[in-house]
Amino acid sequence: DVKVTQSSRYLVKRTGEKVFLECVQDMDHENMFWYRQDPGLGLRLIYFSYDVKMKEKGDIPEGYSVSREKKERFSLILESASTNQTSMYLCASSFGYSNQPQHFGDGTRLSIL
Amino acid sequence: RKEVEQDPGPFNVPEGATVAFNCTYSNSASQSFFWYRQDCRKEPKLLMSVYSSGNEDGRFTAQLNRASQYISLLIRDSKLSDSATYLCVVTPFVRMDSSYKLIFGSGTRLLVRP
Repeated sequence: DVKVTQSSRYLVKRTGEKVFLECVQDMDHENMFWYRQDPGLGLRLIYFSYDVKMKEKGDIPEGYSVSREKKERFSLILESASTNQTSMYLCASSFGYSNQPQHFGDGTRLSIL
Repeated sequence: RKEVEQDPGPFNVPEGATVAFNCTYSNSASQSFFWYRQDCRKEPKLLMSVYSSGNEDGRFTAQLNRASQYISLLIRDSKLSDSATYLCVVTPFVRMDSSYKLIFGSGTRLLVRP
């Protein structure tokens, strides 16, 4: 079974802090993704990566950055957290080409106070 | 128009009922299609892929209609444990630099009552 592990299930941070969300997958997947999910807005893609050190902006990249130094790890960084970044963050990975489904981690529920 | 559209529901059905959801997509060149299930406050989980010929997995049947640009999910003999949100997912066929993205619908909520 594919295993996508996110570092924290729940996280509380303060406005202005730099926040790191970590994601690790164990299936040697090329593609990794970060989404946020908010009530009524569905899943929105923040960033994705199709190879080590490669990154592409998704639909809502503002206020976020990412890092992919190793194939199995994809980090999401909130440079200066704001209250409107309170959300459920979901990491996903997939194999190779676009016709493969994505597999999700358990999610991190982040609250910015 | 949204790229993927679903009726948000909720669909409220008794145990044992048969229920069907449809999902329409706007890009006629879309390549791959999936149904995901998401329980409250949990991550989406792949339920099944949708193939052109239609496919079945136990009580679940998925169909693709390319001419009308929709996919469907049929659940027979509904169980209480089927209560969840069902997400329709489409892979667009676009430029190489964005061909890895999936487009998620907002989901259809199903409530199965005793």
